[in-house]
Amino acid sequence: GAVVSQHPSWVICKSGTSVKIECRSLDFQATTMFWYRQFPKQSLMLMATSNEGSKATYEQGVEKDKFLINHASLTLSTLTVTSAHPEDSSFYICSASGGGGVGNSPLHFGNGTRLTVT
Amino acid sequence: DAKTTQPPSMDCAEGRAANLPCNHSTISGNEYVYWYRQIHSQGPQYIIHGLKNNETNEMASLIITEDRKSSTLILPHATLRDTAVYYCIITGTASKLTFGTGTRLQVTL
Repeated sequence: GAVVSQHPSWVICKSGTSVKIECRSLDFQATTMFWYRQFPKQSLMLMATSNEGSKATYEQGVEKDKFLINHASLTLSTLTVTSAHPEDSSFYICSASGGGGVGNSPLHFGNGTRLTVT
Repeated sequence: DAKTTQPPSMDCAEGRAANLPCNHSTISGNEYVYWYRQIHSQGPQYIIHGLKNNETNEMASLIITEDRKSSTLILPHATLRDTAVYYCIITGTASKLTFGTGTRLQVTL
């Protein structure tokens, strides 16, 4: 089945630094990738949708200058949390689609990255 | 995308069938019913999806009512490893997945 790999699985960084999270589709080409954030005991909240070769589309309330998304190839998307603060500590999860949105094609998710900002 | 209503929590004895309901009364004709689950501190795992007909795979069965306003996910023989939050999501062809609060299934000995 389709595999999505996310790296790192956990990271601790100091306040004010930037952190990059990678999301790779290992056995298919992902024309669209989605980035989610999940706070403790809450559901997943969509942050942004990234399409290969074009700018990401951010959900309302998500700062595009703080959460930089790059989707430069059909197998890799990155999320960079810039100038991280303790309130950015969360579980970040990516998912990937082979094309055409969701519909009859299941999205597959990475295993998430737990970010802790001290 | 249509909204869904799921019970916040359910218990199931190991070895018994777990039946997880989902109401989606505002679903439209071209929207699919998807089920995902999330085991603690992991990414969501795809389980099954359907449009109109009932579906079965190696993990579960999906029963969709004739009017498509509700569905039930069935785990035929629940094990402790099935303890997770189960999400019922309705989505169309060009949409992203919007997660609700899901049902926390606790499988017990």
